[in-house]
Amino acid sequence: EIVMTQSPATLSVSPGERVTLSCRASQSIGSQLAWYKQKPGQAPRLLIYGASARATGIPARFSGSGSGTAFTLTIGSLQSEDFAVYYCQHYNNWPIMYTFGQGTKLEIK
Amino acid sequence: QVHLQESGPGLVQASETLSLLCTVSGGSISTTGHHWGWFRQPPGKGLEWIGNVYYNGNTYYNPSLKSQVTISVDTSKNQFSLNLRSVTAADTAVYYCARDLLRKLDSWGPGAQVTVSS
Repeated sequence: EIVMTQSPATLSVSPGERVTLSCRASQSIGSQLAWYKQKPGQAPRLLIYGASARATGIPARFSGSGSGTAFTLTIGSLQSEDFAVYYCQHYNNWPIMYTFGQGTKLEIK
Repeated sequence: QVHLQESGPGLVQASETLSLLCTVSGGSISTTGHHWGWFRQPPGKGLEWIGNVYYNGNTYYNPSLKSQVTISVDTSKNQFSLNLRSVTAADTAVYYCARDLLRKLDSWGPGAQVTVSS
């Protein structure tokens, strides 16, 4: 069973700053990784898939990188709407399976 | 643009079966390559995948929930459903349905709060 670990659990940052969130897989997962953003009371929203491809409508300040076991999500120049919880997710094509990290909460400093 | 909407009872008695429906609009549930999934999020916790269904009825379940779950599809109504048997307080969560487009969960329903009471 693949375990996804995100760090840190909480990150306090100021608007306008650049931030990097980390996600590690317990074994190599290639580029089968996605990032989601979730605001309180809302469903998750897809940001990044294939480790580095931005989903439709996602601003260019969001970028993903990594492969194998180490991945990052970078948000350049934080906007007020970016303060939320971010989840990384491994997806397996066959058999179909999804595994989420525990999330990183981005809060305003 | 496809829209998904969960519906079902918000309160379920312990040991009973939790049943939810996801209605898809703005697109066909029978589109080739689109899978349809159920996810849940307990209060204050992270996301958990429950299972997926394809329009032909093929299903894929989280091994940790497989014995408790049945997901089915009704293409004539553009809906798919979740049945979770023998629920306990640990099954209290917000339940989401979502579209899996080549493993991208690109459309989600707003979520349905389900509370299991004893």
